[in-house]
Amino acid sequence: DTAVSQTPKYLVTQMGNDKSIKCEQNLGHDTMYWYKQDSKKFLKIMFSYNNKELIINETVPNRFSPKSPDKAHLNLHINSLELGDSAVYFCASSRGGYTGELFFGEGSRLTVL
Amino acid sequence: RKEVEQDPGPFNVPEGATVAFNCTYSNSASQSFFWYRQDCRKEPKLLMSVYSSGNEDGRFTAQLNRASQYISLLIRDSKLSDSATYLCVVNTGTASKLTFGTGTRLQVTL
Repeated sequence: DTAVSQTPKYLVTQMGNDKSIKCEQNLGHDTMYWYKQDSKKFLKIMFSYNNKELIINETVPNRFSPKSPDKAHLNLHINSLELGDSAVYFCASSRGGYTGELFFGEGSRLTVL
Repeated sequence: RKEVEQDPGPFNVPEGATVAFNCTYSNSASQSFFWYRQDCRKEPKLLMSVYSSGNEDGRFTAQLNRASQYISLLIRDSKLSDSATYLCVVNTGTASKLTFGTGTRLQVTL
């Protein structure tokens, strides 16, 4: 069983389109995250939810909207895609607190043309 | 100054060598420190936590220097399979906010 699964794994789309990436974890964790890894491999936190509540919202354009219908799911919707949105988006989960172990999904590689 | 800084490398070492990576962090209030490993086109995975007294896991040793705000990772007897990017991770701000360094790439060769 995959612990953190995200779909789709690959996404190629045109500028201006709207797309969504879904994430689910079966670890029973309370905290979920979205990270973005750009072409320079820098992994940057975007959002974090704890038990469906938004707890971290970094400086991310409001074209990005996360949604957590329950604590096992955290989806990311992106409106009006731009070239600079091309990256790998990783979903992750953790027990929260200072434990530090993030369990990542395999990543969703988004290419905006 | 970046919150978490690492030398990007690459570090090219022969099998069997000992290699060390350093990482500095800017937030003196940080309480949690970790090393993650990321293979090419894969997700990051936890390698080890870093404790104040230093800790070892097989060929890997991690150390923390709070006064100088840096952590280190030492790999002894390098294997080809150690080739990867090593990411320094520090909590900055809240407990849940883990900030990743840009990573140090290691290439172990025959």
